[in-house]
Amino acid sequence: DTEVTQTPKHLVMGMTNKKSLKCEQHMGHRAMYWYKQKAKKPPELMFVYSYEKLSINESVPSRFSPECPNSSLLNLHLHALQPEDSALYLCASSQDPRSPRGYTFGSGTRLTVV
Amino acid sequence: AQSVTQLDSQVPVFEEAPVELRCNYSSSVSVYLFWYVQYPNQGLQLLLKYLSGSTLVKGINGFEAEFNKSQTSFHLRKPSVHISDTAEYFCAVSDSGGGADGLTFGKGTHLIIQP
Repeated sequence: DTEVTQTPKHLVMGMTNKKSLKCEQHMGHRAMYWYKQKAKKPPELMFVYSYEKLSINESVPSRFSPECPNSSLLNLHLHALQPEDSALYLCASSQDPRSPRGYTFGSGTRLTVV
Repeated sequence: AQSVTQLDSQVPVFEEAPVELRCNYSSSVSVYLFWYVQYPNQGLQLLLKYLSGSTLVKGINGFEAEFNKSQTSFHLRKPSVHISDTAEYFCAVSDSGGGADGLTFGKGTHLIIQP
């Protein structure tokens, strides 16, 4: 298995909803990442998990809450989002966080906040 | 922190013509360099990467890139493009100094293939 799987592919949520994005990989990668991509912009790093521990938080608002239950799973919990949070959310993984030599991306979750 | 500059936001090319997409990075002791392609409404697909060794890197779909340390460049080339190459192309850099710092992306170049 050489893929990063993200679910759901599309999500529409209201500003008072609570939802979660899921990411899964079975390549034995020990670093996992969340990126946010607005339309016609490059991906921007949000969070990095290294060996299941949060190692980087790029000053992301607390309405985004990451969770790494085990080495294969990465969640992003969403609560009280704003319309400007609508974007493509990409998950990625890399083999060894001490020497990141390659990143595999999922196909993303397209989030719309109404 | 590393940075990446993609000088062209949009490149129109006729089908079967050659193309070069430019990428420059901020200088560092050592870096890992990547090119990704993103088709509409999809995630990112790795085209090729430079980690060390030969400066000419061959990737998928007939793309190649050349690492030029003196010019801090990593331009992407294809000798003959196809209509299916229409997509957004991102150059990215990772600091090889260790630590899971993720990738830093350039702003992207939209490759438009004209029939």
